[in-house]
Order: sequence, then structure tokens, then C-alpha cells
Amino acid sequence: GQQLNQSPQSMFIQEGEDVSMNCTSSSIFNTWLWYKQDPGEGPVLLIALYKAGELTSNGRLTAQFGITRKDSFLNISASIPSDVGIYFCAGHLYSGAGSYQLTFGKGTKLSVIP
Amino acid sequence: ETGVTQTPRHLVMGMTNKKSLKCEQHLGHNAMYWYKQSAKKPLELMFVYNFKEQTENNSVPSRFSPECPNSSHLFLHLHTLQPEDSALYLCASSLDRKAGDTDTQYFGPGTRLTVL
Repeated sequence: GQQLNQSPQSMFIQEGEDVSMNCTSSSIFNTWLWYKQDPGEGPVLLIALYKAGELTSNGRLTAQFGITRKDSFLNISASIPSDVGIYFCAGHLYSGAGSYQLTFGKGTKLSVIP
Repeated sequence: ETGVTQTPRHLVMGMTNKKSLKCEQHLGHNAMYWYKQSAKKPLELMFVYNFKEQTENNSVPSRFSPECPNSSHLFLHLHTLQPEDSALYLCASSLDRKAGDTDTQYFGPGTRLTVL
């Protein structure tokens, strides 16, 4: 199946620092989504991107849909302890018969040191 | 509050047991999904239902049997599982699987399954 390459796999940062993570693929995606998963919980949607080049913010989070439609990044500014969790990128890829397959990256595990 | 609930949150079962996972969505959606999440692997889509009809089965072993009695409820019946089936099983819902690339999925909290 199609793969999304998400990096970094994990990161340790100091509270207050900015964070950046990204996803790339060899395929063109129609949409990009960013989810956050807290321990023991399901993924929660943070930001959805629908157009190439789109830059969208949600509080301290900013995400962009790459102009080539093959990549996306997520930035978190001024990190706080509750930002800890696993961040997943996901993209919609047309899979035929009017359906779109949602493909997930392997996640970026973020740890924030107070 | 995601609007998608799953029960039980944790389940431990032996390989000869039969159990069921339940998912319920309160979002008015028409599509429901089962995913398997194992450590260090991407989320694996198992089954998709759209308007109560199963539209996708991604080569899932028959020891997993889904059931969707209506658009708000989804079950995953388990029997004679293997230890490697231990994972977090996530349910998700969306408005309409065929609505196109803006059809966003919302996840439940998952059931942590351990097979002994």
C-alpha cells in the first residue's frame, strides 16, 4: 500500500521550545490531516488541510499542505507539558469506486521536559 | 469528547474465548470503521461500513467478524484469537465514505485487547 514517511519518529524538547514534524510521500494526496493521540486514547483530529499550499492554524499549532501535494508539516509553538503524545499525519488517497483511502504515518512521539 | 464511544476500554481474553467489542457514534455519521493499532506500526484499516453495508474488508482473518446493525452501532466479534492479535482496536466514524476527500474520520478511545 501507499506509505507516508513521518519524521522524526520521536523527539524530546524543553518546555517553551518550538517543534516541527513532517510527512512525505511519493504519491499525491488530496487532503492531509494531523491527529494527536494521548496515551490510552484514540487519535483526535487537530488540523485538516484540503488545498495544496494551504496554511492553517489551530491555537499554537500550524500545519501546511505542501505545494506538490506530496508532503505536509506540523509546527507547535511554545510547547507545554500537555503537548506530550503521538502525532500522526494522514492523507486521503483516491482508491477507486468513489472512495478515498485514509493512509496514516507511523507517528511522531513527542516528549516535553518541564 | 469525541462523540464516538467504545466498550470495553480494556479486555483480556484467552485464545478459546468469544468476546465482542462495541462502538457507538453520536455524530449522525453514516460510515464506521475498525482499525487495529499495534506498537510501531501504522494504523491498519480492518473493515469499513457505509450506510450499514460492508464496503471494505482488508484481508482480515475470519476470527474477526464485524457487525453493523445500524449507522450508529458497530461491533467486532472475536473468537479463537491469537496472542499476536493483542493491540488497541479503534473505531472511527465519518459522514459518508463516498463523500470524497473531505470526509473526515473521528475516532473513539479504543479497546486495549490482550490475548493470553
